[in-house]
Amino acid sequence: SQTIHQWPATLVQPVGSPLSLECTVEGTSNPNLYWYRQAAGRGLQLLFYSVGIGQISSEVPQNLSASRPQDRQFILSSKKLLLSDSGFYLCAWSPRLFLRTDTQYFGPGTRLTVL
Amino acid sequence: AQKVTQAQTEISVVEKEDVTLDCVYETRDTTYYLFWYKQPPSGELVFLIRRNSFDEQNEISGRYSWNFQKSTSSFNFTITASQVVDSAVYFCALSEAGGGATNKLIFGTGTLLAVQP
Repeated sequence: SQTIHQWPATLVQPVGSPLSLECTVEGTSNPNLYWYRQAAGRGLQLLFYSVGIGQISSEVPQNLSASRPQDRQFILSSKKLLLSDSGFYLCAWSPRLFLRTDTQYFGPGTRLTVL
Repeated sequence: AQKVTQAQTEISVVEKEDVTLDCVYETRDTTYYLFWYKQPPSGELVFLIRRNSFDEQNEISGRYSWNFQKSTSSFNFTITASQVVDSAVYFCALSEAGGGATNKLIFGTGTLLAVQP
């Protein structure tokens, strides 16, 4: 069965510090990978998605970047955090299917607080 | 443009009551998928159901049931005999088919369900 991991689970960082959040998927190959952010108002915002190693698409221009160094590894980064980067970050994966959508499965999330 | 509306921000019920969570969507596509996810206090989004636009059959899974009506663009979720463990935020989401190699989900703003003992 497939499993998705995220770490760290919680993080408190000062403004201006760097950020690296990691997501890994087990039990599948060539997944689509996604990063979402959930702010205090509960809405889920898609930040980045990836269909393969080194292939990243950005949905919202911002202070964050993403990378996919390995097939099942997805990293969210920032060089300098802003207060507005605080939130709950969720990674998700879905099977890669041509011309058909499929279910996204979410990780446990990382709660980031920027002070 | 695609849009998902969950007009109920918060619902509070007493255990064993039935409760229906509403979801209304907008899309120009004839082929699309609808989803419901549950987010308990721990934060992880748990997948509950996926329904494609060509299948309007209602579905029942234990205490959960879903009513999909294309005529009203609604995909409502009913919990029968609610339990405290059902307390969570519930999200409805929409995805277009044929989107190439990716499928982007458009989420509603969620409904917070509180089940009181």
